[in-house]
Amino acid sequence: GAGVSQSPSNKVTEKGKDVELRCDPISGHTALYWYRQSLGQGLEFLIYFQGNSAPDKSGLPSDRFSAERTGGSVSTLTIQRTQQEDSAVYLCASSLALPGGGNEQFFGPGTRLTVL
Amino acid sequence: DAKTTQPNSMESNEEEPVHLPCNHSTISGTDYIHWYRQLPSQGPEYVIHGLTSNVNNRMASLAIAEDRKSSTLILHRATLRDAAVYYCILSNAGKSTFGDGTTLTVKP
Repeated sequence: GAGVSQSPSNKVTEKGKDVELRCDPISGHTALYWYRQSLGQGLEFLIYFQGNSAPDKSGLPSDRFSAERTGGSVSTLTIQRTQQEDSAVYLCASSLALPGGGNEQFFGPGTRLTVL
Repeated sequence: DAKTTQPNSMESNEEEPVHLPCNHSTISGTDYIHWYRQLPSQGPEYVIHGLTSNVNNRMASLAIAEDRKSSTLILHRATLRDAAVYYCILSNAGKSTFGDGTTLTVKP
């Protein structure tokens, strides 16, 4: 079956503009995750959805970042008034909702965001 | 948040076993230990996970210390395709804390 897909694959924007990044999880996966990976760095957890609700938003770097999920499927990560330090690869993952943390996450290919 | 510590890099010869260590001294009782690997320009790929007992799957084995403050990912016979960055992760109720990862180089 289809894996996790993300769009766009690459996004170049000017400082101060808003951007929307989209994630389509694997069908039937109720949990969805967003991460950020700066060049040469590890993954930074941003937010997690269980269904359409986000129990933990503490990983979002600032109030310029927001995310939503509708219909228990597609998720959008929005960055307002982008800054150069927002440049990174934004990764989305999905998983079956299992108790605790014993769930395998399937990652998408990521969106490479460049803020000029 | 619980953190993990891994060596920055390791080298292995092809077809030899590789032991990748991870320290997680602040692990809580409900944290799962996961390992993922990432090839260049790709998203991470699941390798293995466990809670308290050692685990084996077709890709690797996971050895978890009795006090759960450390773990070791074991690749039984390294191949060139195993060259990647390996991340040791603690996961609890959806929130995953990634370490900096170990870059594994496999020499033919």
